[in-house]
Amino acid sequence: QKEVEQDPGPLSVPEGAIVSLNCTYSNSAFQYFMWYRQYSRKGPELLMYTYSSGNKEDGRFTAQVDKSSKYISLFIRDSQPSDSATYLCAMSAGGGFKTIFGAGTRLFVKA
Amino acid sequence: GAVVSQHPSWVICKSGTSVKIECRSLDFQATTMFWYRQFPKQSLMLMATSNEGSKATYEQGVEKDKFLINHASLTLSTLTVTSAHPEDSSFYICSLPPSGATYNEQFFGPGTRLTVL
Repeated sequence: QKEVEQDPGPLSVPEGAIVSLNCTYSNSAFQYFMWYRQYSRKGPELLMYTYSSGNKEDGRFTAQVDKSSKYISLFIRDSQPSDSATYLCAMSAGGGFKTIFGAGTRLFVKA
Repeated sequence: GAVVSQHPSWVICKSGTSVKIECRSLDFQATTMFWYRQFPKQSLMLMATSNEGSKATYEQGVEKDKFLINHASLTLSTLTVTSAHPEDSSFYICSLPPSGATYNEQFFGPGTRLTVL
């Protein structure tokens, strides 16, 4: 079993839709949870960074962490064609432990 | 966020040759940099941690003699793929943590696409 599981998609939605992206994990030591966006043939860029459980909102993006279920989500409201990219979840136990990345979900937002 | 550059962005080489990829931190000094490899439609796989002034730390299964890492200064780390083979064709990305030793957030370079013929 992989430490981090993420459905690779692709996920195709119409413009304006609410997008839900998810990851599950097995290591209960993970405390730091990140979402990265990666455009084709580019390096990932950090979107959201959350410590422990709870929600965090930034503009159209909301990150949720449920440590009891070992489940994290990223919601994108009012999705735009420019949101079309691969979204990678990532998590770490902190304290110098390495970050583990999910496989990434490819998202297509159609105009 | 930190600005990280990589050079070259794209390289094609013949099998058996060596290729050097540079990773530069443009706006702060980095004692640590990470090197990742990403195959198409797959996630990032950490290859090694580059440490300024000391030897790199390689992940299990990564050949240190094949993937030479040199962290020559606080702003430059290089990855040299020696005796490249077609199976080394991949997207190589460096990253660096902004500060401290938590390494939770990382700022990634734009990546280098290596194609070995």
